[in-house]
Amino acid sequence: DTEVTQTPKHLVMGMTNKKSLKCEQHMGHRAMYWYKQKAKKPPELMFVYSYEKLSINESVPSRFSPECPNSSLLNLHLHALQPEDSALYLCASSQDLPGRTGAYEQYFGPGTRLTVT
Amino acid sequence: QKEVEQNSGPLSVPEGAIASLNCTYSDRGSQSFFWYRQYSGKSPELIMFIYSNGDKEDGRFTAQLNKASQYVSLLIRDSQPSDSATYLCAVVSYSSASKIIFGSGTRLSIRP
Repeated sequence: DTEVTQTPKHLVMGMTNKKSLKCEQHMGHRAMYWYKQKAKKPPELMFVYSYEKLSINESVPSRFSPECPNSSLLNLHLHALQPEDSALYLCASSQDLPGRTGAYEQYFGPGTRLTVT
Repeated sequence: QKEVEQNSGPLSVPEGAIASLNCTYSDRGSQSFFWYRQYSGKSPELIMFIYSNGDKEDGRFTAQLNKASQYVSLLIRDSQPSDSATYLCAVVSYSSASKIIFGSGTRLSIRP
């Protein structure tokens, strides 16, 4: 089973709203990721968690705040977003972090389509 | 030079033919290579991964890796209209361990 679930599927929010995206996996994976994807572009890495600790922050604006409450869950808290933040937000997980002598395959969830008005 | 390069396409292939998708990468120390398929409006789906030089086959898909020439390719045999999608090449770069670097994707269209 390689399932990663994400909720909600769609989200419309105003620039003053606070909302959260949720991601869950039950594969025992210890690395989890948030990506942002704009139309006709590849996924763009935002955050990486390894063993529930933030490992990589790709200089993401503070209006995006990640949280990893436990090894199966990953949240992305959103506040004061801009219209240009509208995109598909993807969660992914892998058994562990990709390493220099090998890598662990990343499996993506279905994504949350976010529209900021 | 981009770290991972793909021809954006569209690549048009007749149904039943072999579709050949190519990807080059700049970091000679890269170890791990992935192919994802992405339908419009959907998330990427992992279809192949390859870590060693040579060919790796899975059903109609074959991934080929040539580390000396720094390219990785994906062959799709007996192409079907359902194979029409964007194919993303992804590489774990030696200099960017812990991150997968994606190419910009090749749009494949299978014509009936």
